[in-house]
Amino acid sequence: DVKVTQSSRYLVKRTGEKVFLECVQDMDHENMFWYRQDPGLGLRLIYFSYDVKMKEKGDIPEGYSVSREKKERFSLILESASTNQTSMYLCASSFGSIGQSNQPQHFGDGTRLSIL
Amino acid sequence: AQSVTQLDSQVPVFEEAPVELRCNYSSSVSVYLFWYVQYPNQGLQLLLKYLSGSTLVKGINGFEAEFNKSQTSFHLRKPSVHISDTAEYFCAVSEMGADKLIFGTGTRLQVFP
Repeated sequence: DVKVTQSSRYLVKRTGEKVFLECVQDMDHENMFWYRQDPGLGLRLIYFSYDVKMKEKGDIPEGYSVSREKKERFSLILESASTNQTSMYLCASSFGSIGQSNQPQHFGDGTRLSIL
Repeated sequence: AQSVTQLDSQVPVFEEAPVELRCNYSSSVSVYLFWYVQYPNQGLQLLLKYLSGSTLVKGINGFEAEFNKSQTSFHLRKPSVHISDTAEYFCAVSEMGADKLIFGTGTRLQVFP
């Protein structure tokens, strides 16, 4: 079974802090994704990556950056946290190359982030 | 541009009753379709997927979905639900050759005894 592990289930930070959310997958997947989930809005894609050191903006990248230094690890960074970034953050990974959109994504259990 | 609509935000149902969760999509090209389930305090888990071939797709936990190209729909069904099916269900679509999945806003299925 594919295992996608997010480092924290719950996190509380203050406004203005730099926040790191970590995600590790153990199946040698090429693709990794970061989403945020908010009630009534479903999942919205923040950033994704198809390879080491490669990143692409999703639908809502403002206020976020990412890092992928190793294939199995994909980090989401909130440069200066704000209260409107309080949300559930989900990491996912999938097999395949660019445009191979028929592969299902495998999700971690999420990090519930509160910015005070 | 592709989009996904889940018309029902909440669906209450009694145990052992049948259920249908609706999903409609819009796209000008061929698509792949997915249903995911999210149990409380967990991530999303794949229920089933339609890639090609038979339009009736069977998934885990007794769920099935039917792809209807003319109506651009991919409704999820189960003939008899159980308390343990209480969860949020997400429909997602990906255009062939696209980079990403587009998710619907989710349907919360609540099963009552």
